[in-house]
Amino acid sequence: DGGITQSPKYLFRKEGQNVTLSCEQNLNHDAMYWYRQDPGQGLRLIYYSQIVNDFQKGDIAEGYSVSREKKESFPLTVTSAQKNPTAFYLCASTPRPPYEQYFGPGTRLTVT
Amino acid sequence: DQQVKQNSPSLSVQEGRISILNCDYTNSMFDYFLWYKKYPAEGPTFLISISSIKDKNEDGRFTVFLNKSAKHLSLHIVPSQPGDSAVYFCAASAGGSSGSARQLTFGSGTQLTVLP
Repeated sequence: DGGITQSPKYLFRKEGQNVTLSCEQNLNHDAMYWYRQDPGQGLRLIYYSQIVNDFQKGDIAEGYSVSREKKESFPLTVTSAQKNPTAFYLCASTPRPPYEQYFGPGTRLTVT
Repeated sequence: DQQVKQNSPSLSVQEGRISILNCDYTNSMFDYFLWYKKYPAEGPTFLISISSIKDKNEDGRFTVFLNKSAKHLSLHIVPSQPGDSAVYFCAASAGGSSGSARQLTFGSGTQLTVLP
């Protein structure tokens, strides 16, 4: 059955280490997105990709990198340059059109 | 500069009554609005949407109203059920070039608690 998977559910890293969060979808959606959510705040867009081998920065792209080598996959790397990496990270995808975004279950990243 | 605002961080209602969640926006280019429901440690689930050419959209117990002149939308849940207790986010998007994927701008969310 179709959906978006994110793994792992919980991730712990030491400060100064890069970490890659996985996002896979089998919905045949063209566009994919990465958001982060902090306590008491809405979702903020990190990066998005409309098509394979193409991606654009969102509102808070500094300290993050992405790749889109396959339609199904949009991994996010949280680099050591990200000053406050501890957050809940959400991946989403959408067909073009309509515009509803469908979200994965999220990854809780804790950096100490 | 928050373009989408949900000014009530929390709302409590009795089971069976109406829940009204509000959202204001500032960007007049927004032409599509969505409501999502989110449980802790899970991804948001799409609930209902409305295009700016409409002022009302209904889906079962959920109705979204859009007042373009006031740049205000609201989500009505009738009747409210304990299972509706969650954080509700409104989101908005602006028209891009034809066929391009749209970005969503989210509000900060309202925690709805439905009391049995």
